[in-house]
Amino acid sequence: ELKVEQNPLFLSMQEGKNYTIYCNYSTTSDRLYWYRQDPGKSLESLFVLLSNGAVKQEGRLMASLDTKARLSTLHITAAVHDLSATYFCALRTYKYIFGTGTRLKVLA
Amino acid sequence: DGGITQSPKYLFRKEGQNVTLSCEQNLNHDAMYWYRQDPGQGLRLIYYSQIVNDFQKGDIAEGYSVSREKKESFPLTVTSAQKNPTAFYLCASSNPEGGIQYFGAGTRLSVL
Repeated sequence: ELKVEQNPLFLSMQEGKNYTIYCNYSTTSDRLYWYRQDPGKSLESLFVLLSNGAVKQEGRLMASLDTKARLSTLHITAAVHDLSATYFCALRTYKYIFGTGTRLKVLA
Repeated sequence: DGGITQSPKYLFRKEGQNVTLSCEQNLNHDAMYWYRQDPGQGLRLIYYSQIVNDFQKGDIAEGYSVSREKKESFPLTVTSAQKNPTAFYLCASSNPEGGIQYFGAGTRLSVL
């Protein structure tokens, strides 16, 4: 069965702290994506990771991919309130499979 | 501006009625997708189309239908057979190079 699992599902953190969201998947793929969704809004692309060991960074977010472990991480550095959103990872096989999402709340 | 346009933003369906959600893109993408999102949940694939005049069922196609007569357009019909249609519906298209999906603003469907 094709599965993409994220943890944690919910994350409440203080501003200025660091944390990591994990994305585990059950099958091989050549592409791993991270998206952000604000409440009631659509999804916005953050990163696409194409190969083992790939690392992408944008501002306080950094994503990495370990294809051997079938694991991607989204690391948040010195969180700020504006990062509060739901974050999804997605895998591309013959279709796209989305994780359950991690709802992040950054407390001021 | 290039992008995906979904309409309407809000839609109400009466019992036994079919309703159609519009999705138009001007990104020149071949592939288009429809997803359903329930509150607090992830995205579930309803239908997808890799090319004009061709489409495939996703994971939850029952009670839905689509057409792909033009590259730019991929409308979704929610039929009366879909007994629990209340959800947020998202349309997306993807480019062949990186495979990034671009999403529309969504249609929120409720039952009267």
